[in-house]
Amino acid sequence: LAKTTQPISMDSYEGQEVNITCSHNNIATNDYITWYQQFPSQGPRFIIQGYKTKVTNEVASLFIPADRKSSTLSLPRVSLSDTAVYYCLVGAKAAGNKLTFGGGTRVLVKP
Amino acid sequence: DSGVTQTPKHLITATGQRVTLRCSPRSGDLSVYWYQQSLDQGLQFLIQYYNGEERAKGNILERFSAQQFPDLHSELNLSSLELGDSALYFCASSVSHQETQYFGPGTRLLVL
Repeated sequence: LAKTTQPISMDSYEGQEVNITCSHNNIATNDYITWYQQFPSQGPRFIIQGYKTKVTNEVASLFIPADRKSSTLSLPRVSLSDTAVYYCLVGAKAAGNKLTFGGGTRVLVKP
Repeated sequence: DSGVTQTPKHLITATGQRVTLRCSPRSGDLSVYWYQQSLDQGLQFLIQYYNGEERAKGNILERFSAQQFPDLHSELNLSSLELGDSALYFCASSVSHQETQYFGPGTRLLVL
């Protein structure tokens, strides 16, 4: 069961890049890393998923070092609407796996 | 809109009662997940079903049970409710085992 650790909160300003690192020291070989964004009283929204190296989509990038014991979500040029809680999720694409959300990082984007 | 629907949106009940939360997954998704989120808490995985069968179990209390029906909708039954069961309950669905999960809007349960 891969436990994850994230910073509790981060502050940033509009237009800056935000990087959130998630530690998952006991990640298993077949585990993937997934990040979700959640606004108050709403369901989490999928942002990005990766297994190794770098993944990029239209909203974020995910950097995973070779040892896969951590990962970094990068949000380029954040806006006020990016203020949310970001969760790191580590789990296997296999039957019977247990799913673990990190504690979440509360990102506050200031004007 | 994720395509996952949950009913009801809000539910107020008393301690000791039993409630049923309903979830309809996205069209084509076979896997359904249930999560609990208490005030200021992170998401706690409860249980996963895949094509009608229980696939994974998290920290689900014995007072709670779930099932997935042939039409793939799922129900989460909460019984002998306690004040501490007040929370947001989210359902998520995915195409198969732990593919990208899409979350519904949640059911807010308040136990008085």
